[in-house]
Amino acid sequence: SQELEQSPQSLIVQEGKNLTINCTSSKTLYGLYWYKQKYGEGLIFLMMLQKGGEEKSHEKITAKLDEKKQQSSLHITASQPSHAGIYLCGAVPPKGGSEKLVFGKGTKLTVNP
Amino acid sequence: GAGVSQTPSNKVTEKGKYVELRCDPISGHTALYWYRQSLGQGPEFLIYFQGTGAADDSGLPNDRFFAVRPEGSVSTLKIQRTERGDSAVYLCASSSYGQPYTQYFGPGTRLTVL
Repeated sequence: SQELEQSPQSLIVQEGKNLTINCTSSKTLYGLYWYKQKYGEGLIFLMMLQKGGEEKSHEKITAKLDEKKQQSSLHITASQPSHAGIYLCGAVPPKGGSEKLVFGKGTKLTVNP
Repeated sequence: GAGVSQTPSNKVTEKGKYVELRCDPISGHTALYWYRQSLGQGPEFLIYFQGTGAADDSGLPNDRFFAVRPEGSVSTLKIQRTERGDSAVYLCASSSYGQPYTQYFGPGTRLTVL
């Protein structure tokens, strides 16, 4: 079964700093979702990457998919306290198969003012 | 429009009791998904519906867990003879028909079994 490994598990940065979170799949990636979760809340959809090399941005958050390496990176520029939370990557299922998502364990981000 | 809603937001029950968790998907979304999230883990798939039928229930841990979606909208996750290990946040998501099937999540129900 597919597994997604996220690194780092947790990250503490000073406000204004840039940071990167990685997500690596044990199997072929057909695409990848990035979600953000505040403690005790549901997942907020950030973006979905479908093609190798695709890069998308949402405000100060940029994510890129590297199909060959079976991984994705999420980069935050000039971090703010509002970026704090848990970032989760989820694998897009292959076409024709079950639509269930497989998630990583998440990266907990703390941004200190 | 309104997002996915789940009720109750919190549920505390005693070991051995029966519980029902409800999910209201985004209006018009044909697919509905249930996941379970334990502390420090990512969501784990339980079951999903396409319309009224369960398209994949491979994630249900055992026969104490059951879910229905009788009219293709609201869904109820039912847990019989609850155990302490069932304590977790139960998340519901929905998506519209057609690629890319982006799943939009509700706030979850936190279930605590004492």
